[in-house]
Amino acid sequence: NAGVMQNPRHLVRRRGQEARLRCSPMKGHSHVYWYRQLPEEGLKFMVYLQKENIIDESGMPKERFSAEFPKEGPSILRIQQVVRGDSAAYFCASSLPGQGTYEQYFGPGTRLTVT
Amino acid sequence: SQQGEEDPQALSIQEGENATMNCSYKTSINNLQWYRQNSGRGLVHLILIRSNEREKHSGRLRVTLDTSKKSSSLLITASRAADTASYFCATSMTTDSWGKLQFGAGTQVVVTP
Repeated sequence: NAGVMQNPRHLVRRRGQEARLRCSPMKGHSHVYWYRQLPEEGLKFMVYLQKENIIDESGMPKERFSAEFPKEGPSILRIQQVVRGDSAAYFCASSLPGQGTYEQYFGPGTRLTVT
Repeated sequence: SQQGEEDPQALSIQEGENATMNCSYKTSINNLQWYRQNSGRGLVHLILIRSNEREKHSGRLRVTLDTSKKSSSLLITASRAADTASYFCATSMTTDSWGKLQFGAGTQVVVTP
């Protein structure tokens, strides 16, 4: 059973460009979570999605950031007009529905560098 | 400030020694989880302890939870070089309806052979 997949693993963008980060959850998982990690810091929650629904986006910046988890295909975290401060590692996690233990399985992350 | 804060920030020990790190949090929790992150990698779930539990074991790991002090500890016994990593605690607060995880800044552990 493959784990959570994220691609690309590394992404370099110039200021003003768009970044698209993809996350394929573990087989059977319909809940996806995105986190951002700045150097030497812990993970900060961004958004929680279920298929075709955003459940909690309280950690998402109000502008330039959006996320989706369509019925088919991976979850996408989209950052428009990137700035240097967006440089970070972005992690996706997934979990089973209604699991109750809230155990989340993490992907390897996408490291975004904005030049 | 963060819900979970680990102490110490960094820890350096020799193989065979025990490593202990602590996590303090501010508000009531449903559960507390510990994760490990190797350099440049994703997080690996280590152990989950519920608010009504006081101690859990998993292999060489021992986790305690003291809800009266709002703190948890992670003990790694007989450490190995492969235990070198950052360790994070994450809390699920009772005020969050779906179990949102709040992470601390982590403890960096270096185990030297």
